[in-house]
Amino acid sequence: KQEVTQIPAALSVPEGENLVLNCSFTDSAIYNLQWFRQDPGKGLTSLLLIQSSQREQTSGRLNASLDKSSGRSTLYIAASQPGDSATYLCAVNTDKLIFGTGTRLQVFP
Amino acid sequence: SQTIHQWPATLVQPVGSPLSLECTVEGTSNPNLYWYRQAAGRGLQLLFYSVGIGQISSEVPQNLSASRPQDRQFILSSKKLLLSDSGFYLCAWSGGLVPNQPQHFGDGTRLSIL
Repeated sequence: KQEVTQIPAALSVPEGENLVLNCSFTDSAIYNLQWFRQDPGKGLTSLLLIQSSQREQTSGRLNASLDKSSGRSTLYIAASQPGDSATYLCAVNTDKLIFGTGTRLQVFP
Repeated sequence: SQTIHQWPATLVQPVGSPLSLECTVEGTSNPNLYWYRQAAGRGLQLLFYSVGIGQISSEVPQNLSASRPQDRQFILSSKKLLLSDSGFYLCAWSGGLVPNQPQHFGDGTRLSIL
């Protein structure tokens, strides 16, 4: 059974820091991995999708990597800003999305 | 561009009452549609998905049901709500023609059962 774990569960950093959020999964047989952002009381916003054949994807200050063989993905946020404060979720696609429980990020000025 | 709409945004219902949540997608055809629930302190759980009109797959046995009366309309229903049905319900869509496309979510419905 596929299980997805995100570490840390919560993170509080000053503005300007570079951040790494971690996602691990137990079964490497995935089609792709998707990172989402969720603001309090809101739906999910898709940030990046990495296909299983890819190693990384970049969008602006965000970079996501995938090491399928070791069951790991990282989301790198460069030069963090208070507007980055949210919960970040990763999900692996095995015909359906299996979600981690998220990392709650707070960036303070 | 594609958009997804869910309503209502919030709902407070008594135990034993019926439920109907609606989700519609615009700007695409033949989407795959999904219903998720996010309970407090827990991850998102897939409840139902649909690859076409009238085609519904259930992931979790429960007192909820889903229907897809039109290509871009997905409805989540219950005849009698339980306290355990409280949570944040999210609808999502993905492209249906090419497999393993990213999923895009609506703004959700917060359901409180009294």
